This record gives sequence, structure tokens and C-alpha cells, in this order.
Amino acid sequence: GQQLNQSPQSMFIQEGEDVSMNCTSSSIFNTWLWYKQDPGEGPVLLIALYKAGELTSNGRLTAQFGITRKDSFLNISASIPSDVGIYFCAGHPGTASKLTFGTGTRLQVTL
Amino acid sequence: GAVVSQHPSRVICKSGTSVKIECRSLDFQATTMFWYRQFPKQSLMLMATSNEGSKATYEQGVEKDKFLINHASLTLSTLTVTSAHPEDSSFYICSARSGQMYGYTFGSGTRLTVV
Repeated sequence: GQQLNQSPQSMFIQEGEDVSMNCTSSSIFNTWLWYKQDPGEGPVLLIALYKAGELTSNGRLTAQFGITRKDSFLNISASIPSDVGIYFCAGHPGTASKLTFGTGTRLQVTL
Repeated sequence: GAVVSQHPSRVICKSGTSVKIECRSLDFQATTMFWYRQFPKQSLMLMATSNEGSKATYEQGVEKDKFLINHASLTLSTLTVTSAHPEDSSFYICSARSGQMYGYTFGSGTRLTVV
């Protein structure tokens, strides 16, 4: 099935640094979701975006729904060791549609 | 918040046997449930979508006779991997949504190993 292009594929950063990752699609989405997955677990929702241009925060996390509706960004400020994991973007074009997942960004945080 | 419970978390089975995985929405009614498969270091790939009381819709390339999905109630969906083979070994994850939600809640996944 279709996948969203997510970059970077992986990141190695030091504790305290800020992190940025993005997700792009060739088609328009009406909802963008960002998830974090720990090893051996299911994804956990971090932020949901429902409107083009929307900027939403959840603690140290901030995500934006791109104006073109074909992209989204996730920023993590002042990273900590527990931020380690795989971050997935996901989107769908309508309220009753199945989710399409991004390829994932693997984040490693060093002390 | 919405909670989805998935069992078992891990299962090892012999080739040729069948394995059933359960997905339950604990505090909401799930009109739609989704089943995903995830290989190591890869993203989640949708296998099928099931709506309560109707037949599941399978994604292209997914064998419906091998991966049997039953969504008999608004809180329970099951995935049965029939005649399992080693190549079916993977991480299977369900998710659920209700008609009022835009978000999708995921279960904790099932690690299937076929020996």
C-alpha cells in the first residue's frame, strides 16, 4: 500500500538537543497524526492535526499541518533519553478512511 | 482515554497450526478495527479493515483465507492466522476507532513466531 515519505530515517542526537522530522505525501490528507512506538509495543498517539496550517503542542512536542495539506512536521525540544523510539507520521484523506503510515524516524538520544 | 487491549502479546506456534489474536476496545465501541503487520525495522502495513457485523476488507496482496478476521461485536475483533508458516512470523497490531473519533487507538501488538 501507499506510504508517506518520512525523513530523516534515523537520528542520533545528544540529550538536550532539539529534533525536527517531517513527512510528505504526493496526495492531500485531511488529518495528520504523529505516533511514537517503543520496541515491542504498539504506536501511541502524540499529536493529532485536523486543519491545514494548524500548529499544535503537547509538552515538548510541536507539530504542524502543512498549508498544502501534503506535509507535516514534528519538533521535539530539549530531548531526553525517554524520547528514544520510532516516530511515525500517519494520515488519511477523510474521516472514515484508513490510515497511511510514514516510513518512520528512529531517534537515538545519547547522554 | 480510549484503550485497546490485544492478546496474546507473544505466541510461538508450529508450522501448519492456526493462531488467534484478539483485539478488544475496553472503554469505547469500535465501529471499525484495523489489522496491521510490521516486519523488523519497517513501518506498519495495513492488512485489513473490519466493520462490526460485516465482512472484512482486505488490502491487495493479503490472503483473506489465510488471515481470517471476525468483528462480531463492537468491542471485539479477532485475527486468525491459519496454517501458519515461518514467513508469517511478524508483529501484528490492531487499532480501533469509533464513529465519533478522528484518532485511532492501537493495541500493544502480538509477536508471532512460527517454528
